[in-house]
Amino acid sequence: QQPVQSPQAVILREGEDAVINCSSSKALYSVHWYRQKHGEAPVFLMILLKGGEQKGHDKISASFNEKKQQSSLYLTASQLSYSGTYFCGTEIVGDDKIIFGKGTRLHILP
Amino acid sequence: KAGVTQTPRYLIKTRGQQVTLSCSPISGHRSVSWYQQTPGQGLQFLFEYFSETQRNKGNFPGRFSGRQFSNSRSEMNVSTLELGDSALYLCASRVQRTSYGYTFGSGTRLTVV
Repeated sequence: QQPVQSPQAVILREGEDAVINCSSSKALYSVHWYRQKHGEAPVFLMILLKGGEQKGHDKISASFNEKKQQSSLYLTASQLSYSGTYFCGTEIVGDDKIIFGKGTRLHILP
Repeated sequence: KAGVTQTPRYLIKTRGQQVTLSCSPISGHRSVSWYQQTPGQGLQFLFEYFSETQRNKGNFPGRFSGRQFSNSRSEMNVSTLELGDSALYLCASRVQRTSYGYTFGSGTRLTVV
């Protein structure tokens, strides 16, 4: 029941856009997105709830397709500070634990 | 406000020993979860505690156990350590069991030799 993330790794130049996808084979109640920089703890970005709205702040936003059990994270006009590993975490309906995907490594070049 | 505090930050243990890791969640956070992070496996769910009760458990052997105290602080214990237990152990807390994001601690880096 581990969600599948794609791509596994992305290299971009500063100012370019990126999309990271997360999909599950189970009915989802929520999808979480986190970013982890090397040697640091994961940091919460946003949560998308079943029946909720698309979330976003500044140039990072996300969507949740409940019919397909898929979520996408959008990074617009990427900045050097966006580099890190992005994890999606999923909560299955009826089961409150969060299971994380294997992560997507994002590297932004100047 | 103070973040999630994990102690110790680093540990070196010998195979066969046992270890106890501690986690103090953010004040007011009642749900505490533990994850094992390794380069090959990513973030693997260990267990979740809420109101001093284990609510969920991941696919780890019985050597891994935990508990939560009345002040929401949590400990996890690993007995009979194996080399494969070497990992970063992360504690995460949130206000309630669902509909909220986690705040992670900095983790305890356990090395088994």
